[in-house]
Amino acid sequence: DIQMTQSPSSLSASVGDRVTITCRASQSISTYLNWYQQKVGRAPKLLIYGASTLQGGVPSRFSGSGSGTDFSLTISSLQPEDFATYYCQQSYETPLTFGGGTKVDIK
Amino acid sequence: QVQLQESGPGLVKPSETLSLTCTVSGASISSDYWSWVRQPPGKGLEWIGYIYYNVNTHYNPSLKSRVTISVDTSKKQFSLKLRSVTAADTAVYYCAREGRYSGYDFADFWGQGTLVTVSS
Repeated sequence: DIQMTQSPSSLSASVGDRVTITCRASQSISTYLNWYQQKVGRAPKLLIYGASTLQGGVPSRFSGSGSGTDFSLTISSLQPEDFATYYCQQSYETPLTFGGGTKVDIK
Repeated sequence: QVQLQESGPGLVKPSETLSLTCTVSGASISSDYWSWVRQPPGKGLEWIGYIYYNVNTHYNPSLKSRVTISVDTSKKQFSLKLRSVTAADTAVYYCAREGRYSGYDFADFWGQGTLVTVSS
């Protein structure tokens, strides 16, 4: 199985901050990398697929980059509704695997 | 708009079979991939498996010996059966549609999730 490692596991930030979350795959996955946002008690929401393609309706302050084994999710200016847990997922091969999550909370 | 809704018992006894159904609206159940994902309380997400129209299934090897996913096109439902459950199978179970575009695969629509507790 491809292991996905996210860092940090949690971070505290303020509204307006620029936030970057990283995700590393245990082997090359090209750009088969998705990012999801999950709020407490809610289902995950797709933010980005193909490492950098924004899902429809997702604000442009979210962006993704990377290829091979190293990826990042950036929120350019953190908004109150962005406080949540973020997961990366590889879709290069089954079993599909998720990172452990990064919890973004209010400083 | 694609909508998914999980249903099934919220409590299952150890060693028994967990059975959940996901009802789909707004999409053709026979032309997409459909997934199950679970999340133990306070923990991360685990992919269980997906199915395409009863002809192509992929399961997580960690669960493969105990899992069956099937589709009922007449009811626009797909189902999950997990046999011989233990307390470690206690989780919120989500169903999701696997969207596909430009060769990429992603879960773009999700059910709200249902908590299944394994306990006697």
